Amino acid sequence: GAVVSQHPSRVICKSGTSVKIECRSLDFQATTMFWYRQFPKQSLMLMATSNEGSKATYEQGVEKDKFLINHASLTLSTLTVTSAHPEDSSFYICSAKLAVGPDTQYFGPGTRLTVL
Amino acid sequence: EDQVTQSPEALRLQEGESSSLNCSYTVSGLRGLFWYRQDPGKGPEFLFTLYSAGEEKEKERLKATLTKKESFLHITAPKPEDSATYLCAVQALDQGAQKLVFGQGTRLTINP
Repeated sequence: GAVVSQHPSRVICKSGTSVKIECRSLDFQATTMFWYRQFPKQSLMLMATSNEGSKATYEQGVEKDKFLINHASLTLSTLTVTSAHPEDSSFYICSAKLAVGPDTQYFGPGTRLTVL
Repeated sequence: EDQVTQSPEALRLQEGESSSLNCSYTVSGLRGLFWYRQDPGKGPEFLFTLYSAGEEKEKERLKATLTKKESFLHITAPKPEDSATYLCAVQALDQGAQKLVFGQGTRLTINP
């Protein structure tokens, strides 16, 4: 139980293009999903908290116009990296918390973004 | 500001050699402490949640314990497949959004 998927697992794009990453909770409903990024050999840094049906809450220093988050249903959140640049290359990971029950976050497998 | 410090940064053990990983934390009020395992190129895998000092949880060769200032992840008679980065995270009582603050992780390598 508590399986989270991400798509795509890996994406390579040209500088200036936009990339959309999907995060789905497969076997549970998640009113809250979270988006993290992780640089090599570093820990996870929270980018934003996504609540179903409302605007995302961004962490300090994260550009909300660059990292667009949509949480349109109880099982799907999307992260769009707009006008991507090489410095946006990173490992993006989402997590989801059960709508009812413990606070445990269950993580997806991650998406490796490379911007050329 | 909530902070999590994990030690050691890296640990190399022989198969069967037991040891402990440390997670020290400062938080205004602890809602929960979480342990995850992360393999290279993958997302973290949930291991344990601890809520109050004195609590212990076990899963196979792993046991997590909690005090008011730190948590330990004890690994007994490890096997090579236990090699991974182990992440500790805390959630504060005043975090309405249930935000997790992660430590830097401990890279554990078990040699056969």
